[in-house]
Amino acid sequence: TQLLEQSPQFLSIQEGENLTVYCNSSSVFSSLQWYRQEPGEGPVLLVTVVTGGEVKKLKRLTFQFGDARKDSSLHITAAQPGDTGLYLCAGARSYNTDKLIFGTGTRLQVFP
Amino acid sequence: GAVVSQHPSWVICKSGTSVKIECRSLDFQATTMFWYRQFPKQSLMLMATSNEGSKATYEQGVEKDKFLINHASLTLSTLTVTSAHPEDSSFYICSAEGGLGNTEAFFGQGTRLTVV
Repeated sequence: TQLLEQSPQFLSIQEGENLTVYCNSSSVFSSLQWYRQEPGEGPVLLVTVVTGGEVKKLKRLTFQFGDARKDSSLHITAAQPGDTGLYLCAGARSYNTDKLIFGTGTRLQVFP
Repeated sequence: GAVVSQHPSWVICKSGTSVKIECRSLDFQATTMFWYRQFPKQSLMLMATSNEGSKATYEQGVEKDKFLINHASLTLSTLTVTSAHPEDSSFYICSAEGGLGNTEAFFGQGTRLTVV
């Protein structure tokens, strides 16, 4: 059973467009992280959100943690080819904060 | 950020042989390390949690006798794929945490294993 479902699974857009990736669960998480992974490399942490309703911005990326801490979203403004990659959300359950559960992943392709 | 190094980056081995993958935390002490497996175009699946000086905790469905994990020091964990078969071919990734409930994990660059 996949606890964290991401949508869309694939996204192919033109440079300059905006997009939103969703990470949904029926379970509550004590914290949630977003990673970007490029082919042949390990994931790189983008952000960690811990408070329900929290919004964090990282340049053109905006991350939001749902009020109930069951879901999160990643919004990219004016996407660039350098944003291409696999985006992964990962949650830490409240009863075991050391173990991360990864989402199903969203593969983004931004064309120039 | 902290640096986690995996070695080798890629390895090709013959079916039936064993392969050892190393995961090192270069600038911090990692009380806990995690090993993941990633199939092409899929997400990361946790295989096991490794704590320094104790036995690893394996996820359901992961054979502990096939995937041997050793965490002998605070900076090194190893994953040995024993008697590898083609179906073990995958991308293996480790991550390391400093502990104390800090869930910020730093990932290695991954190891692509191909069993022929």
